[in-house]
Amino acid sequence: AQSVTQLGSHVSVSEGALVLLRCNYSSSVPPYLFWYVQYPNQGLQLLLKYTSAATLVKGINGFEAEFKKSETSFHLTKPSAHMSDAAEYFCAVSDLEGGGKLIFGQGTELSVKP
Amino acid sequence: ETGVTQSPTHLIKTRGQQVTLRCSSQSGHNTVSWYQQALGQGPQFIFQYYREEENGRGNFPPRFSGLQFPNYSSELNVNALELDDSALYLCASSERTGVGYGYTFGSGTRLTVV
Repeated sequence: AQSVTQLGSHVSVSEGALVLLRCNYSSSVPPYLFWYVQYPNQGLQLLLKYTSAATLVKGINGFEAEFKKSETSFHLTKPSAHMSDAAEYFCAVSDLEGGGKLIFGQGTELSVKP
Repeated sequence: ETGVTQSPTHLIKTRGQQVTLRCSSQSGHNTVSWYQQALGQGPQFIFQYYREEENGRGNFPPRFSGLQFPNYSSELNVNALELDDSALYLCASSERTGVGYGYTFGSGTRLTVV
């Protein structure tokens, strides 16, 4: 069965600092991976997705993620945090045996300090 | 192009009652999924519909049921509501079923069972 694990339920950074949100996956075959962001009282917005075309994936709002098979990781980064980045971030994997349904991690809440 | 719209945005029901949540998928999308997101948790897959047929179901009891209509809109019905059903219910649509396709999420319906 496929799964994702997000390391750290809360991450706090200063404005302008590097953002690093960690996600590790478990899959016996090449996975399809996603990062979503959820602002308070809102639904999920797709940041980026990995579908095996390139290991470094660029998304919206300056975020990017690198797929590392050797480490089974798909960490999300942004060089310089903005106050507006404060939100909940979810890593997800597409279930190969479930019609493509998404299996989500527990989420990481990002706080940005001024 | 309109996104995914859900109604109502908030709902309060009494334990034992029944509820129907509605979702209009994004234009051109024929696959719709429903997720339950409890407070502080990642979304959990309930079920998915493709061209009016259920093509995937998560670990939810039969009192959770759904429909997809010819225009690809969808309903989630929950019978005999329990207190633990209190959650944010998210609808998501995709242009195709299968792995690797990103899902567009609605803003959700916040259900409170008292």
